[in-house]
Amino acid sequence: AQRVTQPEKLLSVFKGAPVELKCNYSYSGSPELFWYVQYSRQRLQLLLRHISRESIKGFTADLNKGETSFHLKKPFAQEEDSAMYYCALGYSSASKIIFGSGTRLSIRP
Amino acid sequence: NAGVTQTPKFRILKIGQSMTLQCAQDMNHNYMYWYRQDPGMGLKLIYYSVGAGITDKGEVPNGYNVSRSTTEDFPLRLELAAPSQTSVYFCASRTGTSGDYEQYFGPGTRLTVT
Repeated sequence: AQRVTQPEKLLSVFKGAPVELKCNYSYSGSPELFWYVQYSRQRLQLLLRHISRESIKGFTADLNKGETSFHLKKPFAQEEDSAMYYCALGYSSASKIIFGSGTRLSIRP
Repeated sequence: NAGVTQTPKFRILKIGQSMTLQCAQDMNHNYMYWYRQDPGMGLKLIYYSVGAGITDKGEVPNGYNVSRSTTEDFPLRLELAAPSQTSVYFCASRTGTSGDYEQYFGPGTRLTVT
């Protein structure tokens, strides 16, 4: 069955430190992978998708099909990065999109 | 554009009652989704629709029903509310255009069943 696993419920790092939020997926086909972010009192919004291979707000994520991972990284954390981050998997021609359990990122000053 | 709107924002139901959570979008998106978010559990897909008249089950469809009579609206029906359905419900939509998979989310409906 298709599944998205985010092993860390909470990740706390100091401002300026590197950040890596882990995401592993289970899917035998070609996945569509996304990172969504929810800032306090805001709606869930797309941060980035693997197909575009872009950097958004300093975040990048690389799809590793061998390890079935799509970890989110940022070299230098900023206080405004504090939020809830969700990894998502699209399948069945991306008509179905399922989410992991989320990781709360807390940046300490 | 209002984007994706959901009503009501909050609702308390008694066990066995029924209600409909409303979701509407004004972006002419073909695909629409219902998720529930339980504390610490992330979002679980309840139902989704790829166009008017077409719906399909997601990960946790039991206890819910949906319909999609128009492109704009995708209501979620709870027939016999149970405490296990206490959750925050999110509706989302996207275009359905190949390669464009970004979902746009509504603000959520917080439902408590007691």
